[in-house]
Amino acid sequence: ETGVTQSPTHLIKTRGQQVTLRCSSQSGHNTVSWYQQALGQGPQFIFQYYREEENGRGNFPPRFSGLQFPNYSSELNVNALELDDSALYLCASTLGAGGRTEAFFGQGTRLTVV
Amino acid sequence: SQKIEQNSEALNIQEGKTATLTCNYTNYSPAYLQWYRQDPGRGPVFLLLIRENEKEKRKERLKVTFDTTLKQSLFHITASQPADSATYLCALDPSSSGSARQLTFGSGTQLTVLP
Repeated sequence: ETGVTQSPTHLIKTRGQQVTLRCSSQSGHNTVSWYQQALGQGPQFIFQYYREEENGRGNFPPRFSGLQFPNYSSELNVNALELDDSALYLCASTLGAGGRTEAFFGQGTRLTVV
Repeated sequence: SQKIEQNSEALNIQEGKTATLTCNYTNYSPAYLQWYRQDPGRGPVFLLLIRENEKEKRKERLKVTFDTTLKQSLFHITASQPADSATYLCALDPSSSGSARQLTFGSGTQLTVLP
């Protein structure tokens, strides 16, 4: 088991609502990345936070936003939920950006939008 | 356009055989390539990382090769066991420099090892 924990593990929301997902990073890791994984697909990069600043963003609309706190934990916020937002949301913590070190993933939050 | 393709969505092999999974990429020049294992409903778990100047990396029954000319990585599991059944993801760091870097994943190969 990694030291990355996500909450909640499962969530059901109605279209148009807003949701906040949380992630606590591995001890000592200063970078958190968020991914969306649809069924049968690989994780798609949403954005990354490094020392409380957004440090890169994938092809996701502005209604996907985030925060990183001084203890390096992080939140993902999604406004105006759409049915296509139903997916497994993963956070990954690393020591620094990029792929030079392994990423530690949480167990994910399964979001269902109805 | 940039693409990462993993061979066949599903691969079935007999216990004890060697499983070989393929990851091909287009229009990337990755400095690093990683392999992860993912079980249903769980987050990916890191297995191996290989750098662009390395040809091969091993860890116990796992072996990864990285051919930057062919733009391909091969992932081998020798003496496979039913417990190796999972989805295997390759991921690469799409750039060798810059601050906004993140892992880009393939869609995965679902491996089933039959007893």
